[in-house]
Amino acid sequence: SAVISQKPSRDICQRGTSLTIQCQVDSQVTMMFWYRQQPGQSLTLIATANQGSEATYESGFVIDKFPISRPNLTFSTLTVSNMSPEDSSIYLCSVLRDRVATDTQYFGPGTRLTVL
Amino acid sequence: AQSVTQLGSHVSVSEGALVLLRCNYSSSVPPYLFWYVQYPNQGLQLLLKYTSAATLVKGINGFEAEFKKSETSFHLTKPSAHMSDAAEYFCAVTQTGANNLFFGTGTRLTVIP
Repeated sequence: SAVISQKPSRDICQRGTSLTIQCQVDSQVTMMFWYRQQPGQSLTLIATANQGSEATYESGFVIDKFPISRPNLTFSTLTVSNMSPEDSSIYLCSVLRDRVATDTQYFGPGTRLTVL
Repeated sequence: AQSVTQLGSHVSVSEGALVLLRCNYSSSVPPYLFWYVQYPNQGLQLLLKYTSAATLVKGINGFEAEFKKSETSFHLTKPSAHMSDAAEYFCAVTQTGANNLFFGTGTRLTVIP
């Protein structure tokens, strides 16, 4: 398994500001992902965080709004930029140890963001 | 393209009764299927997964699921519900060559004492 921590666990932010969420894994992993879970809804993949290169974004998500960094194999950050109330969600980090579809994807506890 | 459909956004069962949470998938290639559970204010925890081995998969906390290709289903069951099973349950699918998961909309399970 993998132990994943996220900081902050929750935050309340003002419209127009930015928040950076950190994801730390207890061991090296091949792949890291960022998901969004809007209130009462399922998880949607935002992007795959690539070590040493630009993240791969899913349709509907752009780097200017959700810049992502992954400086090494155990750490990644997601920034939610120029926030609006529609960005109020839970943001979850997940990891895969190996680059195979049958591997288990482990999730962090999530960051609960409220934008006023 | 892949997707999953979870029938029933809310399911209520009595304590000790059978739990059945439905998941149907759509995939153009053989899928890999997962069930995750999310307790209040927590992240997701893997219950079980199907990766083309045995079609009946046993997971943690007494849950199991059966892969039925003819019905494109992967329903989650537990013979006897416990109060601690109250949570949100998500079915997810992926396939060979892909790494990200596609999630269903979730089913909230309530257990009535």
